[in-house]
Amino acid sequence: ETGVTQSPTHLIKTRGQQVTLRCSSQSGHNTVSWYQQALGQGPQFIFQYYREEENGRGNFPPRFSGLQFPNYSSELNVNALELDDSALYLCASSVAGTPSQYFGAGTRLSVL
Amino acid sequence: AQRVTQPEKLLSVFKGAPVELKCNYSYSGSPELFWYVQYSRQRLQLLLRHISRESIKGFTADLNKGETSFHLKKPFAQEEDSAMYYCALTQYSGGGADGLTFGKGTHLIIQP
Repeated sequence: ETGVTQSPTHLIKTRGQQVTLRCSSQSGHNTVSWYQQALGQGPQFIFQYYREEENGRGNFPPRFSGLQFPNYSSELNVNALELDDSALYLCASSVAGTPSQYFGAGTRLSVL
Repeated sequence: AQRVTQPEKLLSVFKGAPVELKCNYSYSGSPELFWYVQYSRQRLQLLLRHISRESIKGFTADLNKGETSFHLKKPFAQEEDSAMYYCALTQYSGGGADGLTFGKGTHLIIQP
């Protein structure tokens, strides 16, 4: 069984740039959720994708967007990066209709 | 708005002593509660769900709806229990579309 994988592991961008983060879901999982974890905080829900559509969203602005592909993998896109976007971005996969989520190791984004 | 509160940022106990990690929540509906754990240099992983009423690695957690609490307990701490622990909730039967709401986490240190 393959676990959740995320790429890249680390990324450095400058303010105003755009970034794309990638996630492959665990084998057998069809739903992907994205979280932002700032230093010293718990993960904060960004959004969830199911059947290639956004299925739920947390309190994040529209410049945070995503995609899900037919193989259930997903991308998180962030436009017009701000310094406060510096964080660990976590992807979690699950089976639709079940609440238990399984996390990847994350992508550490630094915005300078 | 739903919220998870973990009042202790850091908890240090001696090996063999009992451990209790506190978690309180506020939620208007019927929540499903979880404990996630993150060991050093490892990804966030599910420890237990309240709905399963199971014991994992000697840990148990009971949902107390009257006190809106979901404290994590272990009668005898072991050094390998040292980790970051996060309490989280989502809407029961919602399939996780609202995502998980996490507390800020408690860093548990077990001293030899």
